[in-house]
Amino acid sequence: DVKVTQSSRYLVKRTGEKVFLECVQDMDHENMFWYRQDPGLGLRLIYFSYDVKMKEKGDIPEGYSVSREKKERFSLILESASTNQTSMYLCASSFSWGSQETQYFGPGTRLLVL
Amino acid sequence: QQQVKQSPQSLIVQKGGISIINCAYENTAFDYFPWYQQFPGKGPALLIAIRPDVSEKKEGRFTISFNKSAKQFSLHIMDSQPGDSATYFCAASKGGGADGLTFGKGTHLIIQP
Repeated sequence: DVKVTQSSRYLVKRTGEKVFLECVQDMDHENMFWYRQDPGLGLRLIYFSYDVKMKEKGDIPEGYSVSREKKERFSLILESASTNQTSMYLCASSFSWGSQETQYFGPGTRLLVL
Repeated sequence: QQQVKQSPQSLIVQKGGISIINCAYENTAFDYFPWYQQFPGKGPALLIAIRPDVSEKKEGRFTISFNKSAKQFSLHIMDSQPGDSATYFCAASKGGGADGLTFGKGTHLIIQP
């Protein structure tokens, strides 16, 4: 059974803080993704990675960076958190670049920036 | 630019009825169209998906209808049950999904007993 875990369910940070969101998957998936979910906006892709040390910008990468040092772990970094980054952050992973495989989502991290 | 438009935003259906959610896309390069179901406090989970080489796919009570010429696809939930109450997202991707999914804004479905 695929499992995607995220380091925190809830997080409260101050404006200007550096924030790390961690995601780990246990199914040896090549692809990993970070989305943010906001009411009325659906899910929007921030960054994705199809291999270790590889990263690609999604639709809304501004204000974020990512790191993938190991295949199973994909980190989202907010260099200087701002109030408009208050959101639900969802990590996902999938198998096989180039094939239409299911994306498996973690439970999400609800981030509040004060 | 919203590449996947989903409607309605919310939907109330009586138990046993048919729930219908519609999506339209703009990018003709999209070649994979999944539907995700999300319960409160959980991440989205794949419900059913279709590729553009077929016009319909059915899995149990869930059916996707796909109209390539109109660039539209829809989810039909037959015999809707209270346990189907959730938020549903349509999505689309190109190149096999490795580039990530483009989601609609979601439909909050309530099935009344």
